[in-house]
Amino acid sequence: GIQVEQSPPDLILQEGANSTLRCNFSDSVNNLQWFHQNPWGQLINLFYIPSGTKQNGRLSATTVATERYSLLYISSSQTTDSGVYFCAFPRSNDYKLSFGAGTTVTVRA
Amino acid sequence: NAGVTQTPKFQVLKTGQSMTLQCAQDMNHNSMYWYRQDPGMGLRLIYYSASEGTTDKGEVPNGYNVSRLNKREFSLRLESAAPSQTSVYFCASTPIGAGGYTFGSGTRLTVV
Repeated sequence: GIQVEQSPPDLILQEGANSTLRCNFSDSVNNLQWFHQNPWGQLINLFYIPSGTKQNGRLSATTVATERYSLLYISSSQTTDSGVYFCAFPRSNDYKLSFGAGTTVTVRA
Repeated sequence: NAGVTQTPKFQVLKTGQSMTLQCAQDMNHNSMYWYRQDPGMGLRLIYYSASEGTTDKGEVPNGYNVSRLNKREFSLRLESAAPSQTSVYFCASTPIGAGGYTFGSGTRLTVV
């Protein structure tokens, strides 16, 4: 099956810093999504991004499906950005998601 | 608009006990899912329901059963709980199409 690798596994940021999280795939994927799990465990859907670039406030994401990766950018980080960021994609022609192991982000004031 | 509601939020079971985790969504979504999350790992799919009246196994279905009661409700049952089922359980729903995934707040289950 398709393997997914998220990097880095852990990231510590000073408030106000920018960062890039990466998701690499061993084969082409469709319907890639990014999620944020906050320190209280709530999972929030950040982006549905099968290809191209999308922006939502200080967050943006880019997927280059032909090169098998997706990037999540966090600009001017805030302490509320702390948590775990997951990329996920369906392994078949339906919408059951397979998740990467996640990147744990800690933003310090 | 409540989104996806899971009950209970916390539960402790003894080995061999049974229980049902409840999930309801009010977004008129067609598909519903049950995932589990273990420490340091991403989510793994237990069961899903592509539409009302259908259910199917995911990656880790052993020890679980599900019921899609109607379009709104999708329950997960543990018939004989085992310590290996200690986990955080998430219910999710989607409309037709791959976007729009919405998760519930999770149920933290401990089996002793």
